[in-house]
Amino acid sequence: ELKVEQNPLFLSMQEGKNYTIYCNYSTTSDRLYWYRQDPGKSLESLFVLLSNGAVKQEGRLMASLDTKARLSTLHITAAVHDLSATYFCAVDLSSGNTPLVFGKGTRLSVIA
Amino acid sequence: DADVTQTPRNRITKTGKRIMLECSQTKGHDRMYWYRQDPGLGLRLIYYSFDVKDINKGEISDGYSVSRQAQAKFSLSLESAIPNQTALYFCATSDPTGYGANVLTFGAGSRLTVL
Repeated sequence: ELKVEQNPLFLSMQEGKNYTIYCNYSTTSDRLYWYRQDPGKSLESLFVLLSNGAVKQEGRLMASLDTKARLSTLHITAAVHDLSATYFCAVDLSSGNTPLVFGKGTRLSVIA
Repeated sequence: DADVTQTPRNRITKTGKRIMLECSQTKGHDRMYWYRQDPGLGLRLIYYSFDVKDINKGEISDGYSVSRQAQAKFSLSLESAIPNQTALYFCATSDPTGYGANVLTFGAGSRLTVL
């Protein structure tokens, strides 16, 4: 059974600081997804990582995937208030014929 | 119009009532999903369908049923609602063709409260 764990589950950051969110999963896969959810809103796709060593960046967010360690990281650089949201990672199996399994999410709050 | 439309957006009902949540999509995707979100538990899969003739149970299907009426429509039913089914429900679609990733497009969510 595929399990996905995120940590931390809650993160309060000061503006301008850097931090990393971790996503571990239990079964071999080379497909990992990051989503963002603003309070009271739906989920939006942020990054799709489809191979070992994949790295994607957008603005102050950078995601990477290490399939051997079954680990993805979401790195936040010089946080700003607009990044406050809940971030989810999700994994499906390499066949692509299984639904996504989500982590519990990391609620990020960026404070001045 | 939204690519994935859920109705109703909010619903308050009583224990024992039958409830249907509807989802329709204009993306032309074959794959559709129902997830449930509870605070601190993330998203958990209730049912999914990879085409019109395909229905599969997810992690937490007990107490729920689904109907895939057409490629564009996927409904979730609670035959006899109970308070612990109070949650935010999301419908999603995906199309793994193209570059092969199963990126989900989510609806806006249906907030259900069972008293």
